Amino acid sequence: DAGVTQSPTHLIKTRGQQVTLRCSPKSGHDTVSWYQQALGQGPQFIFQYYEEEERQRGNFPDRFSGHQFPNYSSELNVNALLLGDSALYLCASRMWGGNIQYFGAGTRLSVL
Amino acid sequence: QQPVQSPQAVILREGEDAVINCSSSKALYSVHWYRQKHGEAPIFLMILLKGGEQKGHDKISASFNEKKQQSSLYLTASQLSYSGTYFCGTEASGGSYIPTFGRGTSLIVHP
Repeated sequence: DAGVTQSPTHLIKTRGQQVTLRCSPKSGHDTVSWYQQALGQGPQFIFQYYEEEERQRGNFPDRFSGHQFPNYSSELNVNALLLGDSALYLCASRMWGGNIQYFGAGTRLSVL
Repeated sequence: QQPVQSPQAVILREGEDAVINCSSSKALYSVHWYRQKHGEAPIFLMILLKGGEQKGHDKISASFNEKKQQSSLYLTASQLSYSGTYFCGTEASGGSYIPTFGRGTSLIVHP
């Protein structure tokens, strides 16, 4: 049973560029959340997708956007990258209405 | 509001016990505990729901004091594999199934 998978593992971008990160949820899960984890910090909630719609959003600017596909996979897009966007981006999945979520290993984004 | 974890770091020898605390300023519906090793996904350990129950498996257990809005994670007879950063995630009452995570507690177990 495949867990949550994310790609790519690492990414290096320059300021002002745009980036897309991808996530496939654990088998049987239909709800995907994205988190940003800065060094030495806990994961910070960005947004959650269910039925291809953004259901909840954390305190992140509009530069952060997402999408969910009919197969429940999801993308996180970040526009106009800033140095402060450098972080580990984690995807977590669960069943809608369930309260246990499972994380992927993340994508390490470095903005130079 | 982010929960507060204490201590920030713990260093143990194999076989010793440790307690990690998590407190919130809000009334809680649930507390989630995860362990993350460097470069790996946070691994789900357990969830405690409103009701003050204690849960556990193997030598890791946790309690949830709803009135004090606190949870504690107990690691008994620690093993080398317990090393990592432990995060608590709290969900406020009336919540959304979106846990808010603390800054983590780094646990290092030496032989």
